[in-house]
Amino acid sequence: GAGVSQSPSNKVTEKGKDVELRCDPISGHTALYWYRQRLGQGLEFLIYFQGNSAPDKSGLPSDRFSAERTGESVSTLTIQRTQQEDSAVYLCASSAGTGSSRQYFGPGTRLTVT
Amino acid sequence: ELKVEQNPLFLSMQEGKNYTIYCNYSTTSDRLYWYRQDPGKSLESLFVLLSNGAVKQEGRLMASLDTKARLSTLHITAAVHDLSATYFCAVMDSNYQLIWGAGTKLIIKP
Repeated sequence: GAGVSQSPSNKVTEKGKDVELRCDPISGHTALYWYRQRLGQGLEFLIYFQGNSAPDKSGLPSDRFSAERTGESVSTLTIQRTQQEDSAVYLCASSAGTGSSRQYFGPGTRLTVT
Repeated sequence: ELKVEQNPLFLSMQEGKNYTIYCNYSTTSDRLYWYRQDPGKSLESLFVLLSNGAVKQEGRLMASLDTKARLSTLHITAAVHDLSATYFCAVMDSNYQLIWGAGTKLIIKP
């Protein structure tokens, strides 16, 4: 499809396990963003990539969170040793560039840590 | 540090009425975005406002930007049930990050 895709759509994991979330941006979009949205709340910025580089990692909540992007395409967000407070919807967005470009969002991955 | 505030956070209104959602931000920016989110769904881009005095309209929704007042409004005209959703504003900071408001949950009753 032409939109941003994310997988899995839902993930239930036990506390302490590692999880990997995937985002496929719109083809040709150089900028890619990860956000976290807790239930009933707004979006919390995590990290963004311009190409394969992440100029700003300050939004990552802890060192358990990491992200990478390869080939200016797919990105993965990895959460190590998951905690219950990591439960949220993780949204990925892509845009044609930084600046004024509109961000297009994927459907999200709902993560539940039990 | 850029902060974005929306109000109200919750709005219940009757069909056919008009109302306005407000988005205030704390530091200079001339790039503001409005998004819609339906329950359990992702975000849909509504408007991109890029300059002072910008006004965009689509259907019953109209958004405007006053960069001097650091204020954007999303005006709903003659609301219909289909517009029930949560509406977010987001403002771009100097690092090209979007800083998001908390969202306004809009319920439109028949």
